[in-house]
Amino acid sequence: DTGVSQDPRHKITKRGQNVTFRCDPISEHNRLYWYRQTLGQGPEFLTYFQNEAQLEKSRLLSDRFSAERPKGSFSTLEIQRTEQGDSAMYLCASSQSDRWNEQFFGPGTRLTVL
Amino acid sequence: DAKTTQPPSMDCAEGRAANLPCNHSTISGNEYVYWYRQIHSQGPQYIIHGLKNNETNEMASLIITEDRKSSTLILPHATLRDTAVYYCIVRVAGGTSYGKLTFGQGTILTVHP
Repeated sequence: DTGVSQDPRHKITKRGQNVTFRCDPISEHNRLYWYRQTLGQGPEFLTYFQNEAQLEKSRLLSDRFSAERPKGSFSTLEIQRTEQGDSAMYLCASSQSDRWNEQFFGPGTRLTVL
Repeated sequence: DAKTTQPPSMDCAEGRAANLPCNHSTISGNEYVYWYRQIHSQGPQYIIHGLKNNETNEMASLIITEDRKSSTLILPHATLRDTAVYYCIVRVAGGTSYGKLTFGQGTILTVHP
């Protein structure tokens, strides 16, 4: 098991473009989370999946953001019409649905919107 | 989830114990204390969690006061690789909780030679 992986690790895009990030969780984990982290701040929760069902979304997740987890395995996070304020580190985490719910984080995707 | 308060930064000499405090005065009876850390350019890493008893694992010890309003994470022999941002998080475990983590700004621990 190689842990949670994210692709790409870095993305530079121009304002107004669409971007998509991928997260591959630990294989036996049925919970998957997306967080966003800006410089000097702790990560902020964006959305959560249990298997393929998206069960919670933060109000931070505007209409330009969409996340999917088809077949309950990998997940994608798409940002449409990117804005400079979307520049951040996007972190993915996965966990088992046990009582303690220890979350394992990936290395993140750093997005820069020019 | 209850709010936590941590000092913004702390220093520690290599080989000495690092004691990181956290205040969570509004913690509820069913809320646990979790600690994560984030080394530069990496995702956060789980360290330890506890309810009311002191806990120890291979990474650290967690001391929770009897009234549960504060806790201390102890790294017994800090190394340069322990330099990171340490986050104290209070949340409900199990039940209907989906387990999302609410991070504050954490404590930047710098371990120096």
